[in-house]
Amino acid sequence: NAGVTQTPKFQVLKTGQSMTLQCAQDMNHNSMYWYRQDPGMGLRLIYYSASEGTTDKGEVPNGYNVSRLNKREFSLRLESAAPSQTSVYFCASSDAYSGTGDQPQHFGDGTRLSIL
Amino acid sequence: AQSVTQPDIHITVSEGASLELRCNYSYGATPYLFWYVQSPGQGLQLLLKYFSGDTLVQGIKGFEAEFKRSQSSFNLRKPSVHWSDAAEYFCAVGAGFQKLVFGTGTRLLVSP
Repeated sequence: NAGVTQTPKFQVLKTGQSMTLQCAQDMNHNSMYWYRQDPGMGLRLIYYSASEGTTDKGEVPNGYNVSRLNKREFSLRLESAAPSQTSVYFCASSDAYSGTGDQPQHFGDGTRLSIL
Repeated sequence: AQSVTQPDIHITVSEGASLELRCNYSYGATPYLFWYVQSPGQGLQLLLKYFSGDTLVQGIKGFEAEFKRSQSSFNLRKPSVHWSDAAEYFCAVGAGFQKLVFGTGTRLLVSP
């Protein structure tokens, strides 16, 4: 059981380049999330998808776009990378849906992104 | 707005000693509360969760946490720490709309 799979694991970009981070889950979860983790700041929510076909902004959405491709896959795109986006990015999924309250989230191993 | 405070950035505990990591939350209604652990280079793993009922919650790896509504706290405890427990620990509160708000984490160091 793979759980939540993120690709790539590491990436170095130059300022202005674009890239897409991929995330797939095999737990048939409804909700998926993208976070960034920076030292001393915990995890901050970038975007989330409460269910297939919907996406919403989180705490720090500027500079990012997302696509919920299907129930399994949720991608994060940086259109024009900036050094401030150097971070570790985590994808997560949960079985939450409207009315069930907040369920535990299951995390991937992260993508370490450096922007020069 | 919901928030979580983990007042200790680092804690060092001797192997075999007891551990308590502090977590305070701000939330208007009955909270859903979680503790996660992150080993270096890894994602977050769920240790335990509190939704309702018994305020003392048992988790994996010998951890437990106690929900105290009067203190808005959800502290994590372990009676005897092992070297493999060295990691970063995150407390989180359900923020509604299927979202979680995380604290900034406490890094646990275990000395021999």
